[in-house]
Amino acid sequence: KQEVTQIPAALSVPEGENLVLNCSFTDSAIYNLQWFRQDPGKGLTSLLLIQSSQREQTSGRLNASLDKSSGRSTLYIAASQPGDSATYLCAVIWNQFYFGTGTSLTVIP
Amino acid sequence: DVKVTQSSRYLVKRTGEKVFLECVQDMDHENMFWYRQDPGLGLRLIYFSYDVKMKEKGDIPEGYSVSREKKERFSLILESASTNQTSMYLCASTLGPTGANVLTFGAGSRLTVL
Repeated sequence: KQEVTQIPAALSVPEGENLVLNCSFTDSAIYNLQWFRQDPGKGLTSLLLIQSSQREQTSGRLNASLDKSSGRSTLYIAASQPGDSATYLCAVIWNQFYFGTGTSLTVIP
Repeated sequence: DVKVTQSSRYLVKRTGEKVFLECVQDMDHENMFWYRQDPGLGLRLIYFSYDVKMKEKGDIPEGYSVSREKKERFSLILESASTNQTSMYLCASTLGPTGANVLTFGAGSRLTVL
């Protein structure tokens, strides 16, 4: 069964810093990978979907990369802002969605 | 934008009560999912459906059932609520083959069973 790990579980950074969130998965036979953001007490909001044939995907200050062979994805956030504070989850997709437990990000003003 | 609407944001029920959680999506998505989310355990799949009247068990179906009578609506039913079903319940939907397209979530339903 696919296992998805996100390390660290929590991260605090000062405003303006660039940061990288990590997602590791055990089975490289994936279809796609999706990054989500979750605010406290809310549902998940999709940030980026990377197709298995792609190496990366960009949206504004966000850039997600995918290396299937090594079982890793990273989410790069440029010039972090307090509004970026949230939990970030990745999901790898094969026959169903397999979620990591997330990284809780705090951006300190 | 696709909208996934969960009818209740917060519910408080008593042990043994029957609970209905409703989810409606407005973009003709084939696939719909029910997850529960608990601290330290992440999201766990309860049931999913890839077509009207079709349902498949996820990882933790015990104590739950589902209904999909119309394409846009996917209901989660707790026949006899128990305290260990206190959780955040999240509905999601996606178009076409699982994983080919973005998975869209509702806002969640926080259920407390006393």
